[in-house]
Amino acid sequence: GQSLEQPSEVTAVEGAIVQINCTYQTSGFYGLSWYQQHDGGAPTFLSYNGLDGLEETGRFSSFLSRSDSYGYLLLQELQMKDSASYFCAVRVRSSGSARQLTFGSGTQLTVLP
Amino acid sequence: GAGVSQSPSNKVTEKGKDVELRCDPISGHTALYWYRQSLGQGLEFLIYFQGNSAPDKSGLPSDRFSAERTGGSVSTLTIQRTQQEDSAVYLCASSFKGLLKEGEQFFGPGTRLTVL
Repeated sequence: GQSLEQPSEVTAVEGAIVQINCTYQTSGFYGLSWYQQHDGGAPTFLSYNGLDGLEETGRFSSFLSRSDSYGYLLLQELQMKDSASYFCAVRVRSSGSARQLTFGSGTQLTVLP
Repeated sequence: GAGVSQSPSNKVTEKGKDVELRCDPISGHTALYWYRQSLGQGLEFLIYFQGNSAPDKSGLPSDRFSAERTGGSVSTLTIQRTQQEDSAVYLCASSFKGLLKEGEQFFGPGTRLTVL
């Protein structure tokens, strides 16, 4: 099976930088995704790392190290609207050639003024 | 274009009744996923459809759960003889196989199921 670990809660102030770590144990690993979910809302895609290294999208960056089974999401210049849950998800091979995402339990980010 | 839509948005039912949840994926998306999310928890994978391939049902928690996808588009998740522990938000997502960002799925707003 697969398992992912990420912190349950993170708190930071507006304008700061925060890093949310994710470690995983899985077989048939393809890549690591990050999703954001506001209370009562649907998850929305933030980033995907299929290869080692850093991917940057505006204020958000995501990093993957396959050898360490580790990744992180970096949020810069935090804004109040960034308060949400953040999920890492591993893309794995399941039956046959099918691929699915397995999600972590999420990190609740609270941004304080 | 329209995103993923789900209906109903809320469903309250009595223990032991059957329920059907509907998902309309984004047009042209070949992959469709169902997840379940309990309050304050992560997403639990239920089932995955990809094109005309046999679905991956490895996440269905019991034989009371089943899903169909007709014509490669609309999907229905059926829960028979509902139990209180089935109460959760049921999320549907779709994706287009072959996208560079293969980890990207587009989620619907979910159906909040409450079993009394």
